[in-house]
Amino acid sequence: DAGITQSPRHKVTETGTPVTLRCHQTENHRYMYWYRQDPGHGLRLIHYSYGVKDTDKGEVSDGYSVSRSKTEDFLLTLESATSSQTSVYFCAISSSGNSGSTHEQYFGPGTRLTVT
Amino acid sequence: SQKIEQNSEALNIQEGKTATLTCNYTNYSPAYLQWYRQDPGRGPVFLLLIRENEKEKRKERLKVTFDTTLKQSLFHITASQPADSATYLCALGSFNQGGKLIFGQGTELSVKP
Repeated sequence: DAGITQSPRHKVTETGTPVTLRCHQTENHRYMYWYRQDPGHGLRLIHYSYGVKDTDKGEVSDGYSVSRSKTEDFLLTLESATSSQTSVYFCAISSSGNSGSTHEQYFGPGTRLTVT
Repeated sequence: SQKIEQNSEALNIQEGKTATLTCNYTNYSPAYLQWYRQDPGRGPVFLLLIRENEKEKRKERLKVTFDTTLKQSLFHITASQPADSATYLCALGSFNQGGKLIFGQGTELSVKP
């Protein structure tokens, strides 16, 4: 987990409230990712970023938005939390090289979010 | 749609034996395949990468094979130890996907003393 922190680590919130999760890296990596992990589904990509202000959707992006105004920070926002968004959220980073980069990913410690 | 399957059942083996985990995929032509380890309550940790033009990769007690004809990767841990107990994830990627990986659900390995 070195070089990647997530905050908060645990959060309980009510349905309909906005929630923002933060990922912070000190590695100066270009790529950052948000995943959710649920039993029976494994890790699923929500959104990712390939540079400051450059983001794209992943497999399960509905209900989520992201922002990246600095290299080191990647924010995930649930505009109006629902119970189906109860999950463990992981941030990851990877560096990019020339074409042919294989993007080994390095993960943060995770945020456990419960929506009641 | 793209699909990755790992051993759905947990794998229980005796210390000292070789653990073999399987990752099968369909509807995808990955350029590389990665294996990660995940301990309870923690994020996945990168272990090994193998490219499509490589048949086998080794790192200490770990060995990975990649058969693009069978669309399968095997992950071996030789001389397994109780400390190897964890969930192991495989992930596929392509150079035109900008770092996006598709993860399998993982296989839970338990090594008994």
